[in-house]
Amino acid sequence: GQQVMQIPQYQHVQEGEDFTTYCNSSTTLSNIQWYKQRPGGHPVFLIQLVKSGEVKKQKRLTFQFGEAKKNSSLHITATQTTDVGTYFCAGLRGSYIPTFGRGTSLIVHP
Amino acid sequence: NAGVTQTPKFRVLKTGQSMTLLCAQDMNHEYMYWYRQDPGMGLRLIHYSVGEGTTAKGEVPDGYNVSRLKKQNFLLGLESAAPSQTSVYFCASSYSTGLGIGEQFFGPGTRLTVL
Repeated sequence: GQQVMQIPQYQHVQEGEDFTTYCNSSTTLSNIQWYKQRPGGHPVFLIQLVKSGEVKKQKRLTFQFGEAKKNSSLHITATQTTDVGTYFCAGLRGSYIPTFGRGTSLIVHP
Repeated sequence: NAGVTQTPKFRVLKTGQSMTLLCAQDMNHEYMYWYRQDPGMGLRLIHYSVGEGTTAKGEVPDGYNVSRLKKQNFLLGLESAAPSQTSVYFCASSYSTGLGIGEQFFGPGTRLTVL
């Protein structure tokens, strides 16, 4: 079945450093979603990417969807302690069944 | 709007006991999902529904059953709980965009421990 691999599993950064998490799918995706989950909380939607090569920005967050629609990345510039949490990607194959990556836990040291 | 609500928030079961988790959404969404979340495993899809009266198996359906008798409710049942079902369970709902689904709205989760 479809797999969505996400790396790294954990990332420790000093406050102010940048952070990137990557997702790779074994099959072509129709779109990809990104979520953030704070410790003890539930996943919260960040963004959805649909087009090949798409790049979207939300303040310090930059999301990319690969040209082949098999990979995606989330980059955070100048991390803050409020960025702490686990970031998940969820790939969709043109339907309504999402496959989540295992997530990347971001730990920000002040 | 309450969004997506889940009951109960916490539950402790003994092996072999049964229980039902309730998910309710007030956004008139067609699609509803049940996930389990275990440390380091991300969110794994248990069952899902594309509309009232329909359900389908996800990635890890064994040991669970579901029902969607009303559009706003999606029930997850454990007939005979096992320690391997200790997990955090999340319900989510979403809508059709014509290209798939839109964002998923998650409930607050149910933390289940099976002894």
